[in-house]
Amino acid sequence: RKEVEQDPGPFNVPEGATVAFNCTYSNSASQSFFWYRQDCRKEPKLLMSVYSSGNEDGRFTAQLNRASQYISLLIRDSKLSDSATYLCVVSGTSYGKLTFGQGTILTVHP
Amino acid sequence: DVKVTQSSRYLVKRTGEKVFLECVQDMDHENMFWYRQDPGLGLRLIYFSYDVKMKEKGDIPEGYSVSREKKERFSLILESASTNQTSMYLCASTSGGTGGLETQYFGPGTRLLVL
Repeated sequence: RKEVEQDPGPFNVPEGATVAFNCTYSNSASQSFFWYRQDCRKEPKLLMSVYSSGNEDGRFTAQLNRASQYISLLIRDSKLSDSATYLCVVSGTSYGKLTFGQGTILTVHP
Repeated sequence: DVKVTQSSRYLVKRTGEKVFLECVQDMDHENMFWYRQDPGLGLRLIYFSYDVKMKEKGDIPEGYSVSREKKERFSLILESASTNQTSMYLCASTSGGTGGLETQYFGPGTRLLVL
């Protein structure tokens, strides 16, 4: 079983749609959780951290369920510029070492 | 703004060649990482370093070595390149401290083709 699993998609949605991505992780000792965004042929960049209480940043909402070892990302009112690969990322115990999911591809069309 | 630079964006090498990939960060970060990214497999950690002259194996270290002689520079070495090392290589850095809560900043990547 992979340490971090995501549905690779692709997700094709119209502008204005709401889309949700899910991710599961296998290591119950994982401490920190993130969503990174990677544009085509670019490097990954941090989108947002994920907290147990849930957190929101504009149109983006992230949720963490430690009991189920499940992370989600909700994007409301999708924009064309949201088209990218979204990486679910989990941190272990030290040195900022991260484990990445394989990514979910999102394409927002007019 | 944190800047992580990599020596080459594209590289073509022949099987058996020794290959050096250089990474430099300008934010005095303690921790540096080398990943490779392949379709369907995501990013996989090759090696990381948490201090000068210190290194730790990641998940897929075979066929690679690293060097960190200065804090700002982390080099990935392919001792004898093979075709299965054709990939996108990404360097990243992060400050030390709270063990995983810090943002990792990535370089632009090097696309390596081994013929």
